[in-house]
Amino acid sequence: GENVEQHPSTLSVQEGDSAVIKCTYSDSASNYFPWYKQELGKRPQLIIDIRSNVGEKKDQRIAVTLNKTAKHFSLHITETQPEDSAVYFCAASFSKLVFGAGTILRVKS
Amino acid sequence: KAGVTQTPRYLIKTRGQQVTLSCSPISGHRSVSWYQQTPGQGLQFLFEYFSETQRNKGNFPGRFSGRQFSNSRSEMNVSTLELGDSALYLCASSLGGQGGSNQPQHFGDGTRLSIL
Repeated sequence: GENVEQHPSTLSVQEGDSAVIKCTYSDSASNYFPWYKQELGKRPQLIIDIRSNVGEKKDQRIAVTLNKTAKHFSLHITETQPEDSAVYFCAASFSKLVFGAGTILRVKS
Repeated sequence: KAGVTQTPRYLIKTRGQQVTLSCSPISGHRSVSWYQQTPGQGLQFLFEYFSETQRNKGNFPGRFSGRQFSNSRSEMNVSTLELGDSALYLCASSLGGQGGSNQPQHFGDGTRLSIL
């Protein structure tokens, strides 16, 4: 079935360190992979996305990589800051957008 | 450009009642998707509307329904409310066209529904 697995469920890093969140998806036909950041009590915000014809995309401190063969994609945040603390969701497009369970990222200052 | 607007922000209902939630998409967006967010189940897809037609549906009972108007605004209705329906209901809009799930979706602030 349509499934997205996300790891880890929680991640604590020291300010300035890097954070990596990984997702795997079940359907090789998926071709769109967005990442959302949701701060406490706020709406999920699209922070970066990638399509299946691209292997990597970068936007300042955020990057996403995609391995279509392994059906695996990852979010990389470099030089983490306290304001990066939030829940991060990955998603993959099937007939609908299917979300991972989320990763709680805590950046300790 | 105004973002996605959802009303009301908070709602308290009792079991057995019914409720209607509203979503106004970003201007020019024709696709509206609805999601249920709970701590245990994460973000679960309810349905997607495009050009006043339901284009896709998730695995929710028939008590959950929706519709879309000619101006792309959408409503979702939940009848015979149960305690387990307590959740944050989010809508997201996208340009639409060929497959709303393949395009960036932008979320509203949600409606927090509490069932007593």
